[in-house]
Amino acid sequence: DAGVTQSPTHLIKTRGQHVTLRCSPISGHKSVSWYQQVLGQGPQFIFQYYEKEERGRGNFPDRFSARQFPNYSSELNVNALLLGDSALYLCASSLGGRERMHGYTFGSGTRLTVV
Amino acid sequence: GDSVTQMEGPVTLSEEAFLTINCTYTATGYPSLFWYVQYPGEGLQLLLKATKADDKGSNKGFEATYRKETTSFHLEKGSVQVSDSAVYFCALSTGFQKLVFGTGTRLLVSP
Repeated sequence: DAGVTQSPTHLIKTRGQHVTLRCSPISGHKSVSWYQQVLGQGPQFIFQYYEKEERGRGNFPDRFSARQFPNYSSELNVNALLLGDSALYLCASSLGGRERMHGYTFGSGTRLTVV
Repeated sequence: GDSVTQMEGPVTLSEEAFLTINCTYTATGYPSLFWYVQYPGEGLQLLLKATKADDKGSNKGFEATYRKETTSFHLEKGSVQVSDSAVYFCALSTGFQKLVFGTGTRLLVSP
């Protein structure tokens, strides 16, 4: 079975640009979460989507947005990129409602560098 | 708010040494607790989990026991290998929405 797939794996953008990151969850998983991991730190929660609706939002500015599609894949969008947005962006897939028992499965991430 | 505190690294050990990485948490309600591992250049892999007090999670020789009285979930392994070198993250989840992570502890194992 395919795991959580993220694309692209690496990306270089210029300050002020916009970026779209993509995630496909494990088959049968209906929930997708996004995390930002700055170098040397633990991942920070950005969004969670379940059945195409936003179920949670972390402490990130409105430049960050996301959506989930009918096939449960998801996009994370970041506008007006800042140098501080450089990070590894991780997507996590879960069944939806069973996270306490089964946890989350993470993708390998998208490494975003803003120059 | 909910938070996780891990011991700072790096933790440097020789092969076959005993490993302990400390983790304590603060949470409202009754969280589930997790240890994730991150190898260089990769995403996070679930190492083990525990969902209620006194549960012991175990996997690949690693163990951690959910201690409600001390709000701790320390990671242990009896004999580490070079291949265990990675960054280890303790995390909690109190519900549906998200994981709260510690800052991570880098483990370096030398032959």
